[in-house]
Amino acid sequence: QKEVEQDPGPLSVPEGAIVSLNCTYSNSAFQYFMWYRQYSRKGPELLMYTYSSGNKEDGRFTAQVDKSSKYISLFIRDSQPSDSATYLCAILKTDSWGKLQFGAGTQVVVTP
Amino acid sequence: DTEVTQTPKHLVMGMTNKKSLKCEQHMGHRAMYWYKQKAKKPPELMFVYSYEKLSINESVPSRFSPECPNSSLLNLHLHALQPEDSALYLCASSHAAQETQYFGPGTRLLVL
Repeated sequence: QKEVEQDPGPLSVPEGAIVSLNCTYSNSAFQYFMWYRQYSRKGPELLMYTYSSGNKEDGRFTAQVDKSSKYISLFIRDSQPSDSATYLCAILKTDSWGKLQFGAGTQVVVTP
Repeated sequence: DTEVTQTPKHLVMGMTNKKSLKCEQHMGHRAMYWYKQKAKKPPELMFVYSYEKLSINESVPSRFSPECPNSSLLNLHLHALQPEDSALYLCASSHAAQETQYFGPGTRLLVL
């Protein structure tokens, strides 16, 4: 079983809809949670990061962490065609020397 | 400024060539990373440098040789690669090994 599970999609939504992405993880030692956006043939771009349970908002993006359920989510409000990309969750254990555990990545397509 | 730069953007090499990939950051980060990413897969960690010392080598073949000349620079020396080594090579950096990682745009490598 992978340590981080993420549905690879593709997830297709109409412009203006809310995009809902999520990952589950198996190890309670995971303490740091990140979401990256990756456009085709580009490097991953950090969108959000959080170290605690609860919600964190940044513009149209909300990251949610539920440590008791080992579940993290990313919501994108008022989605735009420019949000079409692959979204990767990444989780870090304490004392892991920076070894990120990535989900498989979810491909999102926002149609005009 | 959260910029990590990588050169070259693209590289084509034969199996007998020797080439190097370069990565630079001026954010004062003390941890730097090399990742390999195949199409439609998440990045796979290769090496971690912390305070200019190699702290993780993920059992990478010796035809890949990392070097950290100073705290801002990271090189990946390539020699006698195989066609299956063709991939996007990503560099990342973070303040310390347990913190959020920022990725560069990558070098797209093709081995013929």
